[in-house]
Amino acid sequence: GAGVSQSPRYKVAKRGQDVALRCDPISGHVSLFWYQQALGQGPEFLTYFQNEAQLDKSGLPSDRFFAERPEGSVSTLKIQRTQQEDSAVYLCASSPGLAGITDTQYFGPGTRLTVL
Amino acid sequence: AQKITQTQPGMFVQEKEAVTLDCTYDTSDQSYGLFWYKQPSSGEMIFLIYQGSYDEQNATEGRYSLNFQKARKSANLVISASQLGDSAMYFCAMREGMAGGSYIPTFGRGTSLIVHP
Repeated sequence: GAGVSQSPRYKVAKRGQDVALRCDPISGHVSLFWYQQALGQGPEFLTYFQNEAQLDKSGLPSDRFFAERPEGSVSTLKIQRTQQEDSAVYLCASSPGLAGITDTQYFGPGTRLTVL
Repeated sequence: AQKITQTQPGMFVQEKEAVTLDCTYDTSDQSYGLFWYKQPSSGEMIFLIYQGSYDEQNATEGRYSLNFQKARKSANLVISASQLGDSAMYFCAMREGMAGGSYIPTFGRGTSLIVHP
């Protein structure tokens, strides 16, 4: 059984470029989260999907960030007009249930984004 | 106020010894879950252990155990018989009940563990 996969693993972008980060969750997992992890910090919540519905996007730092999960499986995090402060590791996590207290998240390896 | 506090930025332990990584949390909910994750240099967050607020016994998973002290709001991770492969960042996280908060897990800043031979 494959785990959560993310692509690309590394992305270098010039300031102002648009980037798209992909997450393939574990098959059948209902919940999907995106996190941003700055160097030396813990993951910070960005957005949450339950199947194809984006139930919470309160963590997205600006309107340059956009996420989708159109068919309830693969998700894409898009960052428009990247800025240097967007440089971070972007983690995707999926879980089988409805994000209840006991619902364990399984993380992908992350995409390290560097904006020059 | 920080919901999850990990006060040890770095810890060193000798191979085969036990080590305790501290985690304190802050919540007004009665129902919550506590998680520990390991993040090696490869970057992937690996789930280690879970403790529910209503669980009467401390959680254990192989060499990992959670020293849960509810009154003190602490959930320390104990790793027994440390191995060189245990060297990594360790994150404590909490998910609060729907009544008092959100389903969004909150992570601490992590503790870097180095196991030396």
